[in-house]
Amino acid sequence: ILNVEQSPQSLHVQEGDSTNFTCSFPSSNFYALHWYRWETAKSPEALFVMTLNGDEKKKGRISATLNTKEGYSYLYIKGSQPEDSATYLCALNQAGTALIFGKGTTLSVSS
Amino acid sequence: DGGITQSPKYLFRKEGQNVTLSCEQNLNHDAMYWYRQDPGQGLRLIYYSQIVNDFQKGDIAEGYSVSREKKESFPLTVTSAQKNPTAFYLCASRSRGQNTEAFFGQGTRLTVV
Repeated sequence: ILNVEQSPQSLHVQEGDSTNFTCSFPSSNFYALHWYRWETAKSPEALFVMTLNGDEKKKGRISATLNTKEGYSYLYIKGSQPEDSATYLCALNQAGTALIFGKGTTLSVSS
Repeated sequence: DGGITQSPKYLFRKEGQNVTLSCEQNLNHDAMYWYRQDPGQGLRLIYYSQIVNDFQKGDIAEGYSVSREKKESFPLTVTSAQKNPTAFYLCASRSRGQNTEAFFGQGTRLTVV
């Protein structure tokens, strides 16, 4: 079974704090790394799909980096807001296979 | 509107009965997936299909079956052989390509009593 690890499991920050999460994965047969945001009572929605070593992607206050050689990706949130509260999932896509998800990092932002 | 639809949202079944969860998409996606979520666990892959009439087992396929007779549909049957079927089930679809994201249904919460 492929192992995609996310840390921390949960995180509580104050509004305005910046934070980051880690996704670790086996680097063999790498094809793509996905990040999703899953808010309560909604479906997961894609944030980023990253394919190249050294990729950096940004969407508003959220950004992500990718290191395929050492098998990790970081997700950063700058100036957290209460609406950022959600579970953040990363998923590994190896060539020819399905998306395998980590257990997620649950972020809670207090105002 | 294009999207992926799961039905029903909530499902109750008696122990020992088979039950089928529906997943339909009109996004013209080739690949479809079934995941299961339990408390404290992430999304675990049950089955996936990358093309019509073909599907592959995921990490926890035992006690489940699927079919992919049409591109739009990927129903999941939870059989009586599944030892712990009560869970939240999520269906997803995705088009071909390295950079393509997955789209998810709203999920079905199955409770077996």
